[in-house]
Amino acid sequence: DAKTTQPTSMDCAEGRAANLPCNHSTISGNEYVYWYRQIHSQGPQYIIHGLKNNETNEMASLIITEDRKSSTLILPHATLRDTAVYYCIVRDGGTSYGKLTFGQGTILTVHP
Amino acid sequence: KAGVTQTPRYLIKTRGQQVTLSCSPISGHRSVSWYQQTPGQGLQFLFEYFSETQRNKGNFPGRFSGRQFSNSRSEMNVSTLELGDSALYLCASSLDSLVYEQYFGPGTRLTVT
Repeated sequence: DAKTTQPTSMDCAEGRAANLPCNHSTISGNEYVYWYRQIHSQGPQYIIHGLKNNETNEMASLIITEDRKSSTLILPHATLRDTAVYYCIVRDGGTSYGKLTFGQGTILTVHP
Repeated sequence: KAGVTQTPRYLIKTRGQQVTLSCSPISGHRSVSWYQQTPGQGLQFLFEYFSETQRNKGNFPGRFSGRQFSNSRSEMNVSTLELGDSALYLCASSLDSLVYEQYFGPGTRLTVT
């Protein structure tokens, strides 16, 4: 699976959009981009995933660049409850069989 | 729909003992994956089961094993416990092994003394 690079930490004001970047310059054609988050002492929570097109669900939007070498997770109106570690994961859709490779992630702190 | 459940939530064992952890996936999910989370190594993949077959395995010693039952419930076993096995053990379920998203349980906190 391709390696990802994320900033170690980011801050965001409550009510503002949080934009979390992820670099995956070695991504291959069959690899999907997944985002998960983990709130302290809880199991990771699935947020969103995509292959080529931008995706949106009730939690967030995922913007993938045209060359697929980077992506951005957007939380449109961050709340204090969005404070968590956010993981960007690239996963082979054909061979990974259940395996998610977690990096260090980005610690997002949402301030009042 | 009920989420992924794991039992027990907390466990204290002594070095050399063995332990069995249980995971009940979301109804209809056939894939169960297991992960170990420690402060030093982060989240690491242990293995994955789909329809009672292990389809993928991470880089862990043979002391770590698992199985899946016909109702998709899964157990993992750690034999001859070492202090370094102290960790949060997480299971995740999914509709299938490949593309679909995984939903994680709350984890079992294992402490080895």
